[in-house]
Amino acid sequence: EAGVAQSPRYKIIEKRQSVAFWCNPISGHATLYWYQQILGQGPKLLIQFQNNGVVDDSQLPKDRFSAERLKGVDSTLKIQPAKLEDSAVYLCASSWGSYNEQFFGPGTRLTVL
Amino acid sequence: ELKVEQNPLFLSMQEGKNYTIYCNYSTTSDRLYWYRQDPGKSLESLFVLLSNGAVKQEGRLMASLDTKARLSTLHITAAVHDLSATYFCAVPIIQGAQKLVFGQGTRLTINP
Repeated sequence: EAGVAQSPRYKIIEKRQSVAFWCNPISGHATLYWYQQILGQGPKLLIQFQNNGVVDDSQLPKDRFSAERLKGVDSTLKIQPAKLEDSAVYLCASSWGSYNEQFFGPGTRLTVL
Repeated sequence: ELKVEQNPLFLSMQEGKNYTIYCNYSTTSDRLYWYRQDPGKSLESLFVLLSNGAVKQEGRLMASLDTKARLSTLHITAAVHDLSATYFCAVPIIQGAQKLVFGQGTRLTINP
């Protein structure tokens, strides 16, 4: 079974630029999550999708972050404009049911200069 | 607000020794997850604990859950270098929810 795919793996941008990340979950997984992991901390949930609907985006900085999951499969997370404090690893995860564990992708390491 | 606290945050131990990582959480939960993260890598699911008294073992790692005490432990037996990693516990923000709150992580270093 293929795992969660993410791209790009690394991205370096300057502040105020925009950036987009892509995620393809495990086939058949209805739930998709985007996390932000700052160095030395645990992941923090940014947004959760159930199929193509948003379940929770309470911690998404909506003035600069946006995410979509068209057709209930892959998803993109965008930051516009980026700030220095957005430097982090952005992890995508998926799960297929309410009580199943989440499976994480390799992450995208973002550096904002 | 749910708080998930791990103890210790850093642990350096020698091969062959036993040790325990603790995960305390502040609100009622029926589930707890343990993940492992190697440097520069993503999170790998280790254990899913679904009920009070649940105990799961995989190799030299054993995890348990006490929902009444709001405590989970990850016990390492006869540690080997390959177990060096950061270990995270995670708890649903409310009972039955899918949204997880992660602990700060325990960075484990096992020296030969």
